[in-house]
Amino acid sequence: QKEVEQDPGPLSVPEGAIVSLNCTYSNSAFQYFMWYRQYSRKGPELLMYTYSSGNKEDGRFTAQVDKSSKYISLFIRDSQPSDSATYLCAMSDKNTGFQKLVFGTGTRLLVSP
Amino acid sequence: EPEVTQTPSHQVTQMGQEVILRCVPISNHLYFYWYRQILGQKVEFLVSFYNNEISEKSEIFDDQFSVERPDGSNFTLKIRSTKLEDSAMYFCASSENTGELFFGEGSRLTVL
Repeated sequence: QKEVEQDPGPLSVPEGAIVSLNCTYSNSAFQYFMWYRQYSRKGPELLMYTYSSGNKEDGRFTAQVDKSSKYISLFIRDSQPSDSATYLCAMSDKNTGFQKLVFGTGTRLLVSP
Repeated sequence: EPEVTQTPSHQVTQMGQEVILRCVPISNHLYFYWYRQILGQKVEFLVSFYNNEISEKSEIFDDQFSVERPDGSNFTLKIRSTKLEDSAMYFCASSENTGELFFGEGSRLTVL
């Protein structure tokens, strides 16, 4: 079983749709959960992170962590064409913190006008 | 806005040759990292560097890889004898403390 699994997509939605992106993981030691956005030919850019379980909201973005199910989600409300990118989940344990991230393969999102 | 810069953006090399990828981290950052992404695969951790020494490294980071901070601004990744499977996008990142990483745009390495 892969440590972090993520559907590669592509996920195509019309502008204004609510987008749900998800990852599952197998390592119960993971405590930091992050979502990165990567535009073509660019480096990953941190969108949000949560520590342990719970929800976090930032504007149109909401991150959820369910440690009991080993499942994390990123919701994007009122999606825009500029949200078209690859979304990477990443995780790490308490000891390494942000230093040693384990990434998913990324989900490519296409938002059409 | 401060950013991590990487050079070269693309390097093509012959198998067996040495390659040095260069990074200029954000100026007040103390932690430095290299990650790589083979085409179509996930971003993978290679190494983290703090206080002039390696703090963590992955199984990928074997003896053919080395990192150095030769002066106050550059952070380099050297691959001593490149193999075909080293072809990838290499991302440098830096962080002020053990928090958020800021990634550069990457250096694409093609080994022929």
